[in-house]
Amino acid sequence: GAVVSQHPSWVICKSGTSVKIECRSLDFQATTMFWYRQFPKQSLMLMATSNEGSKATYEQGVEKDKFLINHASLTLSTLTVTSAHPEDSSFYICSARAPGLGIHNEQFFGPGTRLTVL
Amino acid sequence: QKEVEQNSGPLSVPEGAIASLNCTYSDRGSQSFFWYRQYSGKSPELIMSIYSNGDKEDGRFTAQLNKASQYVSLLIRDSQPSDSATYLCAVGGGKLIFGQGTELSVKP
Repeated sequence: GAVVSQHPSWVICKSGTSVKIECRSLDFQATTMFWYRQFPKQSLMLMATSNEGSKATYEQGVEKDKFLINHASLTLSTLTVTSAHPEDSSFYICSARAPGLGIHNEQFFGPGTRLTVL
Repeated sequence: QKEVEQNSGPLSVPEGAIASLNCTYSDRGSQSFFWYRQYSGKSPELIMSIYSNGDKEDGRFTAQLNKASQYVSLLIRDSQPSDSATYLCAVGGGKLIFGQGTELSVKP
């Protein structure tokens, strides 16, 4: 149980284009989903927290107009990187959480999406 | 600024030895503590969670928590080459704050 998927697993795009990444909870309803970004040899940095049906809460320094997050249902959240540039190239990872799931309300991570912007 | 600190390593241990990974955190009000394993190019995988002071054992893994010292550790007994990965300490309830990770290398 507690499986989270992401699609696509990797994507290459041209500078200036937009890319959408999907995060799905496959066997549970995720009341909260998180989006992280990880650069090489660095730790996970939380970008935003999204709750189903409400606007995402972005961390300081994350541009909400550039990284659009939609959490339209209890099993799907999307991250759209708008007007992507090479510096946006990174490993994007989502996680999901649900009340009563797990022992300590832990987050379950998706497999990640590697974005390369040329 | 809430912080989680780990030794970046790399930590190298021979196969069969005990690997000890340490983590300190700054927010004294933290309630939940997690250890994640991350293989290169993959996303983190939860291996241990701990909530109360003391030890929690799961197979070859033991998590230790000392809230008074704001310290959490992970012991890996009988280390195997397959344990070679980066281990991330994460602290929090609503949001997780991750340490920078400790790279573990288990040599055959």
